[in-house]
Amino acid sequence: AQSVTQLGSHVSVSEGALVLLRCNYSSSVPPYLFWYVQYPNQGLQLLLKYTSAATLVKGINGFEAEFKKSETSFHLTKPSAHMSDAAEYFCAVSEFSGANNLFFGTGTRLTVIP
Amino acid sequence: GAVVSQHPSRVICKSGTSVKIECRSLDFQATTMFWYRQFPKQSLMLMATSNEGSKATYEQGVEKDKFLINHASLTLSTLTVTSAHPEDSSFYICSAATDSGQVVETQYFGPGTRLLVL
Repeated sequence: AQSVTQLGSHVSVSEGALVLLRCNYSSSVPPYLFWYVQYPNQGLQLLLKYTSAATLVKGINGFEAEFKKSETSFHLTKPSAHMSDAAEYFCAVSEFSGANNLFFGTGTRLTVIP
Repeated sequence: GAVVSQHPSRVICKSGTSVKIECRSLDFQATTMFWYRQFPKQSLMLMATSNEGSKATYEQGVEKDKFLINHASLTLSTLTVTSAHPEDSSFYICSAATDSGQVVETQYFGPGTRLLVL
């Protein structure tokens, strides 16, 4: 069975500070991993995805995530937070090729303090 | 591109009534649509997957007679919550995708519909 754990339902950072959102997964097969962002009153938007190619994945808006098999982690980072990064972030895992069956974490709400 | 809309964005209804939620892919044809449910402070839970022109595939524990899904065209899927009860109150989110063979590359999500059953 597959599952996702996002540590920290709320994360606050100062503008310009490093953003680190944690995601650990459980999967019986090599997983496909995704990060989505949800802005208020909008749908989930794909930030980036890992599909067994490079372990360091670069996404939109300056975000990146590193797949670490030994730690079963796929943490999301951004070197310098911007006010516009304030949103809800969801990590998701799929055990199938592509994004057919996504299992989501509970989400992390990022607040950026000016 | 890849915009998905949902209507209504929020709905309040009386217990025992039925509510229909629409999910539309605005600028692409969606061969596959997904319906999720999200409770407060919980993750999105997949309810069902529908392919255009076919019956929906429901996840374990989801009552197909309670949550009727119709995917009649490549741009529209509907979820009808029949005989709604207060415990059906939740945030319902749809997503749409095109697939390459049977592989969905990316799901594009709608903004969600908040249902409150009194």
